[in-house]
Amino acid sequence: DSGVTQTPKHLITATGQRVTLRCSPRSGDLSVYWYQQSLDQGLQFLIHYYNGEERAKGNILERFSAQQFPDLHSELNLSSLELGDSALYFCASSAHGGGTGELFFGEGSRLTVL
Amino acid sequence: AQTVTQSQPEMSVQEAETVTLSCTYDTSENNYYLFWYKQPPSRQMILVIRQEAYKQQNATENRFSVNFQKAAKSFSLKISDSQLGDTAMYFCAQGGTSYGKLTFGQGTILTVHP
Repeated sequence: DSGVTQTPKHLITATGQRVTLRCSPRSGDLSVYWYQQSLDQGLQFLIHYYNGEERAKGNILERFSAQQFPDLHSELNLSSLELGDSALYFCASSAHGGGTGELFFGEGSRLTVL
Repeated sequence: AQTVTQSQPEMSVQEAETVTLSCTYDTSENNYYLFWYKQPPSRQMILVIRQEAYKQQNATENRFSVNFQKAAKSFSLKISDSQLGDTAMYFCAQGGTSYGKLTFGQGTILTVHP
């Protein structure tokens, strides 16, 4: 158990809909990262938050947004969903904002868009 | 920009044998970290081993060891005495000290046969 909690574990929805994925980082970790893993692909970095502030953006679509709340949990909002958004979405956390070591991953939220 | 390349989409090995997974990377950072993560069928991302670029000594973790060639920007993973539980997707990843996110390769599917 990495200590990172993601909900929901599975989500099935229709095209055009909006969903929210939630992540609680390990106790004490200030950084949260979101990654997308599509079928047969590696992990694509979406966005990084550190202590409530956006630190870095990767290949995140404009239809997607994220935030980190004062209690350090984070939410990834996906709107106007398309079939291609079907993927496993990982949240990871680390203690610091800089690269001092490994990321601890949650179990992922599997999104299926029909 | 950082890139990580894993040139072996799939590998297989017999139980108790040794296998080496390849990884090359490119970065303009002077200080960085390299990682191998394992993703079993459960889809959980599990850290296997980590290497700090400023350390010349290759990291080892029980049956797992790396061959880190900094000048060649190569970071291979050797698994000795392979076990059935080693069957998984393996991802090579690189992170810098000036930022927290990790850049992942496309992954290598390793199958250990009895």
